[in-house]
Amino acid sequence: QKEVEQNSGPLSVPEGAIASLNCTYSDRGSQSFFWYRQYSGKSPELIMFIYSNGDKEDGRFTAQLNKASQYVSLLIRDSQPSDSATYLCAADSNYQLIWGAGTKLIIKP
Amino acid sequence: GAGVSQSPSNKVTEKGKDVELRCDPISGHTALYWYRQSLGQGLEFLIYFQGNSAPDKSGLPSDRFSAERTGGSVSTLTIQRTQQEDSAVYLCASSLAPNTIYFGEGSWLTVV
Repeated sequence: QKEVEQNSGPLSVPEGAIASLNCTYSDRGSQSFFWYRQYSGKSPELIMFIYSNGDKEDGRFTAQLNKASQYVSLLIRDSQPSDSATYLCAADSNYQLIWGAGTKLIIKP
Repeated sequence: GAGVSQSPSNKVTEKGKDVELRCDPISGHTALYWYRQSLGQGLEFLIYFQGNSAPDKSGLPSDRFSAERTGGSVSTLTIQRTQQEDSAVYLCASSLAPNTIYFGEGSWLTVV
């Protein structure tokens, strides 16, 4: 059974701090990894994807991938209350994505 | 279209009735996915289309659920004889390649 594991949270972070979200995956064949943000009552929206080991930065967001450890993370710098949402991690497996259950992030003003 | 379009956005139906949910993917996207998400839960994979073919129907919960895709574009998810446990948001997503997927706003189904 191919799986993606995430801590369900909630993860509470003060406004302005760095939020760190983590994810592990079981399929060593996975090549692409994705972070989606889902606000309550809304559909998931793509934040970032990463294919290569190391870091990938996009504005306040940094995705990190370590294929040897089968570990993906998302860092959010200068966290804002509008970042409060559930963050879904996904890994590709053949033709589809395997999804984590999501981590609920709460940014406290 | 510019994004994945789903209809209806909200549907309230009586137990035992059939419902049809429609998805119009992003133009040119060959892959189409249906997911279900119950309140406070994660994404449940239902079915995947590549073109008009459905290589993987393994996620369909029962034989009351069926889906088709015509012309490599619009897809319809049909739920027959709806039950209360079918109440959820049904999310459609599409992608050009089988990885980076984009979701529609969902069809919220309530069975009463």
